[in-house]
Amino acid sequence: DQQVKQNSPSLSVQEGRISILNCDYTNSMFDYFLWYKKYPAEGPTFLISISSIKDKNEDGRFTVFLNKSAKHLSLHIVPSQPGDSAVYFCAAIEGYSGGGADGLTFGKGTHLIIQP
Amino acid sequence: DSGVTQTPKHLITATGQRVTLRCSPRSGDLSVYWYQQSLDQGLQFLIQYYNGEERAKGNILERFSAQQFPDLHSELNLSSLELGDSALYFCASSVEGGLAEETQYFGPGTRLLVL
Repeated sequence: DQQVKQNSPSLSVQEGRISILNCDYTNSMFDYFLWYKKYPAEGPTFLISISSIKDKNEDGRFTVFLNKSAKHLSLHIVPSQPGDSAVYFCAAIEGYSGGGADGLTFGKGTHLIIQP
Repeated sequence: DSGVTQTPKHLITATGQRVTLRCSPRSGDLSVYWYQQSLDQGLQFLIQYYNGEERAKGNILERFSAQQFPDLHSELNLSSLELGDSALYFCASSVEGGLAEETQYFGPGTRLLVL
């Protein structure tokens, strides 16, 4: 059962426009969410994160929005650039409970293609 | 470059065999995580070690085992390999590994092909 879902396997956006990547989750115990970016033949690279006590976190061109009631988060990239073409993974984690945090639970990824 | 190294980059072996994947965490990181990325399952958490001790377990098969050595490098052992074990295996590290908000840094992965 997929606890973190990215329903769009791919997304094509024109350079300079906004890219919006979506992610839904089912586990209400998740309290921290992350976005990773992955280029071919490389490991995932951390992009931005958000705690469940916030609804927005911004870092340069990247903004993550969290809607806890809808169990939904999104990553906005503005403006989109050619170097943003990559696979984007949404990930979630339950907080430290004294027994050690579990590993990240990942979605299957969305392949973002930025067109010139 | 994340600072996490994994060897080998590629591994081709036959069903029934045993292989060992190696990971060196970033300097100063005490926690190591192993993940498997297969085509149909995406990235799945396998196991976490912190300073030599197992800390958390995910979807790791009994045929798989891992350990973290005193120098903090880690090895993932996969035995009685099956065709379905063909996947990318990633190692990640973080400073402590006890807090959700700690960033995990990923290595480039080892691509395993079981024939």
